[in-house]
Amino acid sequence: DTEVTQTPKHLVMGMTNKKSLKCEQHMGHRAMYWYKQKAKKPPELMFVYSYEKLSINESVPSRFSPECPNSSLLNLHLHALQPEDSALYLCASSPSAGRTYGYTFGSGTRLTVV
Amino acid sequence: AQTVTQSQPEMSVQEAETVTLSCTYDTSESDYYLFWYKQPPSRQMILVIRQEAYKQQNATENRFSVNFQKAAKSFSLKISDSQLGDAAMYFCAYRSAHNAGNMLTFGGGTRLMVKP
Repeated sequence: DTEVTQTPKHLVMGMTNKKSLKCEQHMGHRAMYWYKQKAKKPPELMFVYSYEKLSINESVPSRFSPECPNSSLLNLHLHALQPEDSALYLCASSPSAGRTYGYTFGSGTRLTVV
Repeated sequence: AQTVTQSQPEMSVQEAETVTLSCTYDTSESDYYLFWYKQPPSRQMILVIRQEAYKQQNATENRFSVNFQKAAKSFSLKISDSQLGDAAMYFCAYRSAHNAGNMLTFGGGTRLMVKP
């Protein structure tokens, strides 16, 4: 299995809703990432998990809450989002730190906040 | 901090022709990796080609090749025999070899259109 699987592919939520994005990989990668991408812009890093521990939080608002329950799974819990949070959310994984550098992206979740 | 710049927001190429996408970067490090990613309308970021900074030889993957100029901090992508399926956003990206977070720094992207 050489894929990163993200669910759902599309999500519409109200500003008072609570929802979660899911990301799964079975390549044995020990680093996982959440990126946010607005239209016609490059991805922006949100969080990095290394060996299931949060290693980088790029000053993301607390309405985004990441979780890494195990080495294969990464979640992003959403609560009280704003319309400006509408974007494509990409998950990626890579082998542990070192000279290996493969980066695999999922297809993303298109989030619309209404 | 590292920065990556793609000076061409849009490029157009005729099918079967060759096109070159530009990328420059700024870093004080000597050991790093460079990448070109393709993002078609399907949204998935697909790795096109990668280059290790310590290698002098330019990377090649079938119709895709790079011109890596380390001293000039330039990393351009050449697409030969362009196909309709090459139409996409292309992002140049940098990763430090010593960054514990293994983070990618992306350029602003170039939208490539392929004319039949």
